[in-house]
Amino acid sequence: AQKVTQAQTEISVVEKEDVTLDCVYETRDTTYYLFWYKQPPSGELVFLIRRNSFDEQNEISGRYSWNFQKSTSSFNFTITASQVVDSAVYFCALSEAKDGGSQGNLIFGKGTKLSVKP
Amino acid sequence: DSGVTQTPKHLITATGQRVTLRCSPRSGDLSVYWYQQSLDQGLQFLIQYYNGEERAKGNILERFSAQQFPDLHSELNLSSLELGDSALYFCASKEGVVGAPNEQFFGPGTRLTVL
Repeated sequence: AQKVTQAQTEISVVEKEDVTLDCVYETRDTTYYLFWYKQPPSGELVFLIRRNSFDEQNEISGRYSWNFQKSTSSFNFTITASQVVDSAVYFCALSEAKDGGSQGNLIFGKGTKLSVKP
Repeated sequence: DSGVTQTPKHLITATGQRVTLRCSPRSGDLSVYWYQQSLDQGLQFLIQYYNGEERAKGNILERFSAQQFPDLHSELNLSSLELGDSALYFCASKEGVVGAPNEQFFGPGTRLTVL
């Protein structure tokens, strides 16, 4: 069964602290895709990153970085020098690639609510 | 702005009623997905259409149905509404062929409140 677990329900940090959001996934497929989405208080879902299962290279985008480890089925997200504007709910998601059936739909974790205080 | 539009933004209705949520995908996107976000269930995939055809079903109730029209916009119909149907309903679109590893872009959502 496909599953995404975000064990951290809520995290609170003070501005400029670094914070890591954990994501653990389960899938039987050898080819799959992992995503992070941000949901600010306004409610929309904003795409942050997609990672393919065959590409374990870590990625950095400004203050954001992602660590993908197939050996531990984890895809963690780190925000460096957090800012108040980073306050949001962050969702990790999994999408499997199969012939036929449910191609491409996202399986979301429960989300981690990040509060960054000034 | 993701380029995906959803109307209405808010909808308040009574139990037993029927409502229609509308979604216009990004220009050129052929795939449309519907998701429901509720406090108890989180974000759940409901149904997917690709170029007018249903391609995948998730946890969609029999009281719910959807379709994608020739102009690629999609509608989600919710009938015999219950209090538990109150949720934020998202539409997302994706370019390219089904199964391609492209990201889905989400609309702003329709918040449905059933009283």
